[in-house]
Amino acid sequence: GAVVSQHPSRVICKSGTSVKIECRSLDFQATTMFWYRQFPKQSLMLMATSNEGSKATYEQGVEKDKFLINHASLTLSTLTVTSAHPEDSSFYICSASGTLDTDTQYFGPGTRLTVL
Amino acid sequence: AQSVTQPDIHITVSEGASLELRCNYSYGATPYLFWYVQSPGQGLQLLLKYFSGDTLVQGIKGFEAEFKRSQSSFNLRKPSVHWSDAAEYFCAVYGQNFVFGPGTRLSVLP
Repeated sequence: GAVVSQHPSRVICKSGTSVKIECRSLDFQATTMFWYRQFPKQSLMLMATSNEGSKATYEQGVEKDKFLINHASLTLSTLTVTSAHPEDSSFYICSASGTLDTDTQYFGPGTRLTVL
Repeated sequence: AQSVTQPDIHITVSEGASLELRCNYSYGATPYLFWYVQSPGQGLQLLLKYFSGDTLVQGIKGFEAEFKRSQSSFNLRKPSVHWSDAAEYFCAVYGQNFVFGPGTRLSVLP
């Protein structure tokens, strides 16, 4: 139980384009989903928290217009990096908590984004 | 504000040796405590967690951790390390927010 998937696992895009990353909870209902960014050899930085059906709550310093988060259902959240630039290249990881275990986050495998 | 420290950036042990990874936290009350493991290029896998009760918790892959309130610590241990345990280990606390420590990289010598 508690499986979270992400798609795609790796994406390369040109500067100026937008990229959408999906995060799905496969065997439980995710009332809350989290999006993290991880730089090489560093810990995870929380970007935003989203509750199903509500607007996401962004951490200080994270541009909400650049990183669009949608949590339209109890099993799917999406992160769209708009007008991506090389500095947006990073490892993006989602996690989910929900009906299975409300106080534990279960993580997806991550998405490696490279912006050329 | 809550915080998490992992004093050791990198630890190297020989296969078969015992392991202890340190984690200290700062929070006004007893938070929920977690250990996650991350293999290269992968997401995080939950090893174990502590919410309340018995202060020695058992996790997957032969890991255990002990919560010591007096030391604000939640150290991770394994009696005999396997080569496949080489990875990055993150301690996390959930008080007001979910906060991760900086991580400890474990290398295992054959």
